Amino acid sequence: GIQVEQSPPDLILQEGANSTLRCNFSDSVNNLQWFHQNPWGQLINLFYIPSGTKQNGRLSATTVATERYSLLYISSSQTTDSGVYFCAVEPQSRGSYIPTFGRGTSLIVHP
Amino acid sequence: DSGVTQTPKHLITATGQRVTLRCSPRSGDLSVYWYQQSLDQGLQFLIQYYNGEERAKGNILERFSAQQFPDLHSELNLSSLELGDSALYFCASSVEAGVKNTEAFFGQGTRLTVV
Repeated sequence: GIQVEQSPPDLILQEGANSTLRCNFSDSVNNLQWFHQNPWGQLINLFYIPSGTKQNGRLSATTVATERYSLLYISSSQTTDSGVYFCAVEPQSRGSYIPTFGRGTSLIVHP
Repeated sequence: DSGVTQTPKHLITATGQRVTLRCSPRSGDLSVYWYQQSLDQGLQFLIQYYNGEERAKGNILERFSAQQFPDLHSELNLSSLELGDSALYFCASSVEAGVKNTEAFFGQGTRLTVV
């Protein structure tokens, strides 16, 4: 099946710093989503971005489908950004949309 | 709020027991997915239903089963529970299945602890 690799696995920032999270995938994809899992375990949709660039406040994401990667940018990080960030993809070869998750990037933002 | 409702939020039970987790999808969503999240395995896909029919199976144990009812809510049944079944179980829903531009939304999860 498709391989989804996220980097870095762990990230520690001071409040106000910027960061870039990466998601590499091994096959062409129909769909790609970024999620934030907060410390209470809830999975929150950040972006649906199979290609192109989107922005939402301090967060933005870019997917270069032809090169099989996606980037999540967090600017001016806040302590509330702490948690685990997941990338989930659906390969083109699969007939049914089933998000396949990477192992995530664990982010800690210190005040 | 994603619009996907899971109950209960927490469940503590003994080994060998059986439990049922419930999921109500977002209004209008026909597809429901179940995932298991454990510390060492990450988010693992278990099973998907679309409009009442099983659509895809992932790494679901034979001790586990699921169904989607005519009102589109879904239940995940876990039986003969073992300590290793302790995990966070997520339900997600989407409008379609097997279609581009399909975005999945996740419930808050049910945290199962087997003692």
